[in-house]
Amino acid sequence: DAGVIQSPRHEVTEMGQEVTLRCKPISGHNSLFWYRQTMMRGLELLIYFNNNVPIDDSGMPEDRFSAKMPNASFSTLKIQPSEPRDSAVYFCASSFADRIFSPLHFGNGTRLTVT
Amino acid sequence: QKEVEQNSGPLSVPEGAIASLNCTYSDRVSQSFFWYRQYSGKSPELIMSIYSNGDKEDGRFTAQLNKASQYVSLLIRDSQPSDSATYLCAVNIRKNSGGSNYKLTFGKGTLLTVNP
Repeated sequence: DAGVIQSPRHEVTEMGQEVTLRCKPISGHNSLFWYRQTMMRGLELLIYFNNNVPIDDSGMPEDRFSAKMPNASFSTLKIQPSEPRDSAVYFCASSFADRIFSPLHFGNGTRLTVT
Repeated sequence: QKEVEQNSGPLSVPEGAIASLNCTYSDRVSQSFFWYRQYSGKSPELIMSIYSNGDKEDGRFTAQLNKASQYVSLLIRDSQPSDSATYLCAVNIRKNSGGSNYKLTFGKGTLLTVNP
């Protein structure tokens, strides 16, 4: 079991640039979640998908953020244009959809720094 | 009231002591509760899950759930320096009142330091 795979592990970019974060969920899991973690706000849910369909994107901070899940094994989170306040660790997690007792399994995260 | 609240910490205990971590939640009908451990610079990892009232033990860890009081806790017996980490409480909270859609909501975490 390879676990949830995220790339890149670290991203440093300049303000205004486009950033794309990638995630491969655990095979068989059909829910995928994107979280952002900062010291100030803790772990925040940005968006989640069930069976590749976005279910709740109420946590996406603004239109600069977008997420896609074109198939069951791949998702992207894009920030365009990036701003320094977007600097955080972004986690992807997966689980079984509609199983209330199913825990989340996290990837190793992408540490984003926007200068 | 915040959906999931944890004692703010940081919590410092001597090696060998019992560490007690507490969490309260707002949704009365929540049914699944999880404790995650997060080492500095790492991702959260699941250490305990609990679904029924009472205690659930796994090695040195005991999770306690009281649905009437909307309270869940984690006890770590014989604390070790390697237990030093941030502990996150997570609860499945209904997205909307009366609905059947849930999302896993995390508390801000409690930083635990175990001193040798």
